Amino acid sequence: AQSVTQLGSHVSVSEGALVLLRCNYSSSVPPYLFWYVQYPNQGLQLLLKYTSAATLVKGINGFEAEFKKSETSFHLTKPSAHMSDAAEYFCAVSGASGTYKYIFGTGTRLKVLA
Amino acid sequence: DSGVTQTPKHLITATGQRVTLRCSPRSGDLSVYWYQQSLDQGLQFLIQYYNGEERAKGNILERFSAQQFPDLHSELNLSSLELGDSALYFCASSPAQGRTEAFFGQGTRLTVV
Repeated sequence: AQSVTQLGSHVSVSEGALVLLRCNYSSSVPPYLFWYVQYPNQGLQLLLKYTSAATLVKGINGFEAEFKKSETSFHLTKPSAHMSDAAEYFCAVSGASGTYKYIFGTGTRLKVLA
Repeated sequence: DSGVTQTPKHLITATGQRVTLRCSPRSGDLSVYWYQQSLDQGLQFLIQYYNGEERAKGNILERFSAQQFPDLHSELNLSSLELGDSALYFCASSPAQGRTEAFFGQGTRLTVV
């Protein structure tokens, strides 16, 4: 069965500091991995996706993530946090078991301090 | 704008009632997914349809049912509602099944009183 674990339900960073949100996945087959962002009272918006091409994936708003098979990780980073990055971030996995449903992590709420 | 439309945006209803949530996927997308988001359960996968056929089932209660119509829109029916069913219900669509990203609607916030 596939699963996703996001370490840290809340992360606080200062404006301008590095953002690192952690995601580890479990999958018996090559996964497709995604990061989504959710702003208050809105739906989920795709930040970036890994679909077995380049292991370093660049997304919108300056975010990127690196797929590391040996560590079963897909951590999300941004070099310099902006106040507008404050939101909840979800890691998701799909692509196995013939059903292709998207399994989401529990989310990480990012707070950016002025 | 993701291109996925969900109606209504808000719904307040009493316990024991039945409601229908509607989702129009992005043009051309064949897969529709339903998710429930609540504070204590997070984002829970409920059910997936692909081109009118049920393809995957998650933690969907027997009181809940869904279908996808020939024009590809989908409806989620929730019956015998309980206070614990209060949540944000999201619909998502994708052109294929899981190999590409899913596009999410804005959600329907259901409040059961």
